Amino acid sequence: AQSVTQLDSHVSVSEGTPVLLRCNYSSSYSPSLFWYVQHPNKGLQLLLKYTSAATLVKGINGFEAEFKKSETSFHLTKPSAHMSDAAEYFCVVTSPRDDKIIFGKGTRLHILP
Amino acid sequence: NAGVMQNPRHLVRRRGQEARLRCSPMKGHSHVYWYRQLPEEGLKFMVYLQKENIIDESGMPKERFSAEFPKEGPSILRIQQVVRGDSAAYFCASSPPPSYNSPLHFGNGTRLTVT
Repeated sequence: AQSVTQLDSHVSVSEGTPVLLRCNYSSSYSPSLFWYVQHPNKGLQLLLKYTSAATLVKGINGFEAEFKKSETSFHLTKPSAHMSDAAEYFCVVTSPRDDKIIFGKGTRLHILP
Repeated sequence: NAGVMQNPRHLVRRRGQEARLRCSPMKGHSHVYWYRQLPEEGLKFMVYLQKENIIDESGMPKERFSAEFPKEGPSILRIQQVVRGDSAAYFCASSPPPSYNSPLHFGNGTRLTVT
């Protein structure tokens, strides 16, 4: 069975400081992992995805995530936060064994001026 | 290439009425997913469809809710005899096959308010 845990429901950082949004997963098979961002009153937009190629994945808007199999983690980072990064972020895991797509509960990122 | 289109963006229904939510997937996408979102509760999976087939409806309430994705036309999520608890944002997403490896493309949602 697969599962995904986003360890923080809310994260607050100051503009210009690094962002770290944590995600841990559980999967019996080689998973595909995704991060999505949702701005207010909008649908979700893909930030980046990992599908068994390079473990460090670069996404849009300066975000990146590193797949660490030994830690079963796929944390999302950005070196310097911008006000426009304030949104909700979802970590997602899927498996080739079935068509289940498992969403984390989301992390709301607040950017302080 | 137009994105996933959902309409209406906002829908107001009185208790007991029917709500119909439409989703047109991206061109070439044969997989459609419906999700429900309540404030502070994240996304709840409802149903996964391919053309003319329901693949997984494990997230759908057993009564009043139904979904279809016909050979021609948009996917429809239908809620009969709506109640106040049905008020939420409903998101549709589409993907090309194979679904496990393909990112989902989301519409901007339909916000249903039941008065």
